[in-house]
Amino acid sequence: QSALTQPASVSGSPGQSITISCTGTSSDVGIYDSVSWYQQHPGKAPKLMIYEVTKRPSGVSNRFSGSKSVNTAALTISGLQAEDEADYYCCSYAGTGTFDVLFGGGTKLTVL
Amino acid sequence: EVHLVESGGDLVQPGRSLRLSCAASGFNLYNFAMHWVRQVPGKGLEWVSGISWNSGTIGYADSVKGRFIISRDNAKNSLYLQMNSLKPEDSALYYCAKDAGIAAAYFDYWGQGTLVAVSS
Repeated sequence: QSALTQPASVSGSPGQSITISCTGTSSDVGIYDSVSWYQQHPGKAPKLMIYEVTKRPSGVSNRFSGSKSVNTAALTISGLQAEDEADYYCCSYAGTGTFDVLFGGGTKLTVL
Repeated sequence: EVHLVESGGDLVQPGRSLRLSCAASGFNLYNFAMHWVRQVPGKGLEWVSGISWNSGTIGYADSVKGRFIISRDNAKNSLYLQMNSLKPEDSALYYCAKDAGIAAAYFDYWGQGTLVAVSS
């Protein structure tokens, strides 16, 4: 059970787009379409932003989008806004017949 | 409205035990898998354990396997985590998280967490 790999930090100016990568292996991200992304503001619980690689829960802005290629998933935030500044975590199912879930190490997004 | 409220966090000595509880409301626990996720303050999220709707499928992170036991009582709409042989590295904020389905392995609702500190 190795954590998924995310960049420690990314930054962008208001209005710009940024992409956060999440690299796993052929045993997790590469084989399951169960990649999710969470946003966490300081002192708050995580919030689901993307599930099943590309789907957005009701109420999440369409500025957030997800994708996957082979063993790497990605979260793209377009039209950056100040309130997007937060920590972002990717997550993937990693088990067969049992529960095994992996998180990425997290990425701090700074809106300049 | 869905609410998850964790309780049971405390300061305990290494080697001791602690039982966390999560009270769920606003939905029928019976229909969903549930999970525990922890976070050392200032650090990242770590999945700890998950349990299917009928307790038939259970999983643990390697870091807690053999020491922690997850369970649920659907009639009481409650989730539990029995933590044994606690280590200082188990110190963290423990979140209860609702699975979006019977085993979707993503989490659509989270509690606010309960703090566990393991220290002598």
